[in-house]
Amino acid sequence: DAGITQSPRYKITETGRQVTLMCHQTWSHSYMFWYRQDLGHGLRLIYYSAAADITDKGEVPDGYVVSRSKTENFPLTLESATRSQTSVYFCASSESGGGNTEAFFGQGTRLTVV
Amino acid sequence: GNSVTQMEGPVTLSEEAFLTINCTYTATGYPSLFWYVQYPGEGLQLLLKATKADDKGSNKGFEATYRKETTSFHLEKGSVQVSDSAVYFCALYPAGNNRKLIWGLGTSLAVNP
Repeated sequence: DAGITQSPRYKITETGRQVTLMCHQTWSHSYMFWYRQDLGHGLRLIYYSAAADITDKGEVPDGYVVSRSKTENFPLTLESATRSQTSVYFCASSESGGGNTEAFFGQGTRLTVV
Repeated sequence: GNSVTQMEGPVTLSEEAFLTINCTYTATGYPSLFWYVQYPGEGLQLLLKATKADDKGSNKGFEATYRKETTSFHLEKGSVQVSDSAVYFCALYPAGNNRKLIWGLGTSLAVNP
């Protein structure tokens, strides 16, 4: 299927566990992004990537790790999950970083850390 | 720095009412401006955009005009429907080489039949 898909859609994990959220896009977009969405904070950028093997920190990168070995995949890993990382996570992609470029979002992953 | 301020929600309207969601921004130069919509249980999707001053973006009956003089990009719709119930996000792409969207906090809209 064409588009951008995230998996899993829902995840419950325990404090201290490692969790990886997957993101896959079929358009070969250069740019990919990870956001978290929390009430009262809107969308906050965690990490982004301009191309394969190029990643950079966003506003709230602490506690997260990303990689981008292939253009189409951009996994987000929580190395040791904490309750404060309970959130809805969105992956997005865009063709370029230009101002005319639409960002396409996945359906989100609701992560609960207990 | 760059920032986006949206009116706080939730906004509750009756069907066929007029909608305005205010959005103002702070940025240097001429950013591009966007409205994204998030329907319940879904990711965000682009609703409309404007890339230069005085441009009007429009889609699905929604409109927003890029006003440089008031640094605003208010979202309007003349007659809302129940299906418009969603969260609406205003965002800007700064001028220059910064490739990160700057987001407002979102405004929740509930339309009652």
